[in-house]
Amino acid sequence: AQSVSQHNHHVILSEAASLELGCNYSYGGTVNLFWYVQYPGQHLQLLLKYFSGDPLVKGIKGFEAEFIKSKFSFNLRKPSVQWSDTAEYFCAVKIIFGSGTRLSIRP
Amino acid sequence: DAGVIQSPRHEVTEMGQEVTLRCKPISGHNSLFWYRQTMMRGLELLIYFNNNVPIDDSGMPEDRFSAKMPNASFSTLKIQPSEPRDSAVYFCASSYSTDTQYFGPGTRLTVL
Repeated sequence: AQSVSQHNHHVILSEAASLELGCNYSYGGTVNLFWYVQYPGQHLQLLLKYFSGDPLVKGIKGFEAEFIKSKFSFNLRKPSVQWSDTAEYFCAVKIIFGSGTRLSIRP
Repeated sequence: DAGVIQSPRHEVTEMGQEVTLRCKPISGHNSLFWYRQTMMRGLELLIYFNNNVPIDDSGMPEDRFSAKMPNASFSTLKIQPSEPRDSAVYFCASSYSTDTQYFGPGTRLTVL
């Protein structure tokens, strides 16, 4: 069955800490991979996406993600988080979404 | 482009009443999605359309929910009769095929 797993349900970090959110998928065929962000009280919006080419993708606000085909993973990273990164983050493969990871940043 | 437009933004109704949520997708997009989001259940895909045809409605909770897309620029999600457990934020999103989904601002539904 096609699925996307985000094992971290809630992550709490201090400002300036490094961030890595896990995303693993089970999907046959070509994958279009996405990370979406939902700030409190807002709708989901695209953070970054990968269709092909360089497996290290850079997105907005200093985020990046790495596609590792052998591990069926597409983890999201940021070297130094800010309080404004407090949000929920969703990984998706085509139209299949993970359950989301809530990120809380302590000022 | 104005983005995905949803109306109303807020809806408060009483149990048993009919509720109709509306969505105007981005022009040129051929896929449209309806989601429901609650604290308890997270983000749930209810139904999606491709070229105005419903492709997967397995997420529609029960017969009280129905969705239509009469043309490429308009879709409705109807709940009849509504129940308190239907209270949630309902998002509409559109995309071109399986490319980026663009979400609307959502409709916050409260059923008393």
